[in-house]
Amino acid sequence: GQNIDQPTEMTATEGAIVQINCTYQTSGFNGLFWYQQHAGEAPTFLSYNVLDGLEEKGRFSSFLSRSKGYSYLLLKELQMKDSASYLCAASDSNYQLIWGAGTKLIIKP
Amino acid sequence: IAGITQAPTSQILAAGRRMTLRCTQDMRHNAMYWYRQDLGLGLRLIHYSNTAGTTGKGEVPDGYSVSRANTDDFPLTLASAVPSQTSVYFCASSETGTSGEETQYFGPGTRLLVL
Repeated sequence: GQNIDQPTEMTATEGAIVQINCTYQTSGFNGLFWYQQHAGEAPTFLSYNVLDGLEEKGRFSSFLSRSKGYSYLLLKELQMKDSASYLCAASDSNYQLIWGAGTKLIIKP
Repeated sequence: IAGITQAPTSQILAAGRRMTLRCTQDMRHNAMYWYRQDLGLGLRLIHYSNTAGTTGKGEVPDGYSVSRANTDDFPLTLASAVPSQTSVYFCASSETGTSGEETQYFGPGTRLLVL
């Protein structure tokens, strides 16, 4: 079957670094997405990885290991506005996205 | 440019009633999607369309139907609503639906309560 696992909730301190992990199992694989979703709002795109390695985009970085079925999202210099849910999604053989339940990130001052 | 709009924003519906959720995009994207999002679960695909005139079933299609008469509109119909269809419904679009690297863009969502 197809499955995405990520932690339900994480807490971090303003100004710190946090890593959100995601493991995936899909029928075929065409890349891994991270989306951000603030409470009551729509998901918005953060990053896409299809090759192994780290992609850096400002304060956010995303890592992929295809052999391990593993990705992480790294958020640096945390700000209060980063309080949100972070959704991991894998693109399967039909280019459909399989979504994790999301990780709720709570930032404390 | 509005992107994707959905209507209504929220709705309370009596069980057994018929309801159509509307979705319109102005990005000329070929692919459109309907998801439901429930607490503790990931987004689940209900139906999708990769081009006007064609539709496909997603993971949870039962009780829902869609049509794609043109590129811009992708309505979702609940023929006879049941309480288990209480959820937040998101419409999304992407350029073609046939590439792994395509970003999906989401509408603001419709919050539906079926009593």
